[in-house]
Amino acid sequence: GENVEQHPSTLSVQEGDSAVIKCTYSDSASNYFPWYKQELGKGPQLIIDIRSNVGEKKDQRIAVTLNKTAKHFSLHITETQPEDSAVYFCAAWGMLTFGGGTRLMVKP
Amino acid sequence: DTGVSQDPRHKITKRGQNVTFRCDPISEHNRLYWYRQTLGQGPEFLTYFQNEAQLEKSRLLSDRFSAERPKGSFSTLEIQRTEQGDSAMYLCASSQGGRETRGYTFGSGTRLTVV
Repeated sequence: GENVEQHPSTLSVQEGDSAVIKCTYSDSASNYFPWYKQELGKGPQLIIDIRSNVGEKKDQRIAVTLNKTAKHFSLHITETQPEDSAVYFCAAWGMLTFGGGTRLMVKP
Repeated sequence: DTGVSQDPRHKITKRGQNVTFRCDPISEHNRLYWYRQTLGQGPEFLTYFQNEAQLEKSRLLSDRFSAERPKGSFSTLEIQRTEQGDSAMYLCASSQGGRETRGYTFGSGTRLTVV
């Protein structure tokens, strides 16, 4: 089955800096890669996604890049704000296998 | 319809008791999924339904776990003879199946504590 590795497990940045979270996957048949944000006491919320026929996608301060050859994809958050602080999960489509999560802390 | 609803939000039960959780998906979504999430981990897939058919259940953690979606709308997840290791957040999600399926919409989860 699919295996998704996510790094780093925790990330602390200063407000206004950029944050990058990286994931690798094992199943070359996976073709859809969403990212979720989870705040305390809530379920994961989809923030951006990318399909395998696209190398990059951007939505305001958030972007995702995909390298199918290397089987890795990354989340980029620019101009971070305190409200970006949360746990972020990557996932790969098979039966939506999740990475272990990254706790992002944005210091004001 | 404002999203995926799960009930209860919290459940404390004694070891050995049975518990049942309910999930109401987004009304136009035909697929419904159950995940378990333990502290500090990503959600772990358990089972999913397309309409009333349970299409994948091999990932249910043991035969103490079962799920139903009798009319293709809401679903229930039951855990029999609960154990302390069952303590976790149980998440439900739904989606509209199809070629361009996007990521699921998750509910807020049911947090189970087994004492």
